[in-house]
Amino acid sequence: DAGVIQSPRHEVTEMGQEVTLRCKPISGHNSLFWYRQTMMRGLELLIYFNNNVPIDDSGMPEDRFSAKMPNASFSTLKIQPSEPRDSAVYFCASSSISGSYEQYFGPGTRLTVT
Amino acid sequence: GQQLNQSPQSMFIQEGEDVSMNCTSSSIFNTWLWYKQDPGEGPVLLIALYKAGELTSNGRLTAQFGITRKDSFLNISASIPSDVGIYFCAGQRSGTYKYIFGTGTRLKVLA
Repeated sequence: DAGVIQSPRHEVTEMGQEVTLRCKPISGHNSLFWYRQTMMRGLELLIYFNNNVPIDDSGMPEDRFSAKMPNASFSTLKIQPSEPRDSAVYFCASSSISGSYEQYFGPGTRLTVT
Repeated sequence: GQQLNQSPQSMFIQEGEDVSMNCTSSSIFNTWLWYKQDPGEGPVLLIALYKAGELTSNGRLTAQFGITRKDSFLNISASIPSDVGIYFCAGQRSGTYKYIFGTGTRLKVLA
């Protein structure tokens, strides 16, 4: 079975540019989570969705960040405009709210903003 | 964001030795998860715990859900070089689907 799929795996962009990260959760999972990982702050939850509805976006750093989940098999995290301090690894994870709540991570997108 | 206290922060051990690490919180959790992360990869789920006192094994790994529900432990027996990586705990409170993650334990195994 395919795990959580993220694209791109690496993204290098210039400050001020728009960045879109993509995620496909595990089929049948109805919860989706976006995390950011840095050396200084570790793994931080940015936002999570249940049944495509955003439930908690308290971790989103500021208005430059937005996330959408138009259907059960796709989500995006957008940063506009990007800044060097947004450089990090962004992970998507999914789980089933009707099951064991075990959360499975994708391989991540390493974002570098110059 | 909030993080769980995980210790030790890093460990250097000889191949064949056993390893213990733990995670503590001031809050009560209903679920504990343990992950391993290799460089350049996402965290991989190792063990899930659902009840206070529960002891669960996955090969050479054994994890326990603390009786107070505020802590969890992970043991690795007879370590091998491929055990190298960062180990994270994650706790989930009642009434929410989100997890709070530990600060990680970086394990290095010397052959």
